[in-house]
Amino acid sequence: DAKTTQPTSMDCAEGRAANLPCNHSTISGNEYVYWYRQIHSQGPQYIIHGLKNNETNEMASLIITEDRKSSTLILPHATLRDTAVYYCIVRAVSGNTPLVFGKGTRLSVIA
Amino acid sequence: DGGITQSPKYLFRKEGQNVTLSCEQNLNHDAMYWYRQDPGQGLRLIYYSQIVNDFQKGDIAEGYSVSREKKESFPLTVTSAQKNPTAFYLCASSIQSGGSYNEQFFGPGTRLTVL
Repeated sequence: DAKTTQPTSMDCAEGRAANLPCNHSTISGNEYVYWYRQIHSQGPQYIIHGLKNNETNEMASLIITEDRKSSTLILPHATLRDTAVYYCIVRAVSGNTPLVFGKGTRLSVIA
Repeated sequence: DGGITQSPKYLFRKEGQNVTLSCEQNLNHDAMYWYRQDPGQGLRLIYYSQIVNDFQKGDIAEGYSVSREKKESFPLTVTSAQKNPTAFYLCASSIQSGGSYNEQFFGPGTRLTVL
């Protein structure tokens, strides 16, 4: 079973920041937080991951609370093409253990 | 272009027939995975393989079989024993290295409909 809890759906106005929360209260010390997104009828796409420090890349920022029990994915300027299902996943860093997906958050970016 | 290929994109079969879904990657990745997705649901793991000639069952392996004879190929057979085979099937791969995160790359998926 997925070890994360996410809201079922969210709306965001185009051009505004989209903040997607995730709870992972049972996360272990050796587990990272990963975010993927899935645009309709396509395969999921990796966005970002982090352990305890905040992370930023060209797609998004990841803010992890100090106790690591929750995190927020931030899309700074959402566009219509960011409409997708966003999955928050916790996973041990080593090896190639498969990803365990929950139902994710369906983000709708509105013009 | 490097990537993961799944073919065909849409597949129709009659009930009771076995069907094999193709997954090929030219990324030189060691690990490959098969997931199933039903409408409105997340992905569920069927099988995965970390090296050639070895694979492990995932959460919903019943009614499915796989082989890994070549590094670049990981075909999935949906057998007649699978009770509800109609779904979206996704293949993924990742490089194998110890101690660091290895991003999973996903193919475009095959939508299987059993009539």
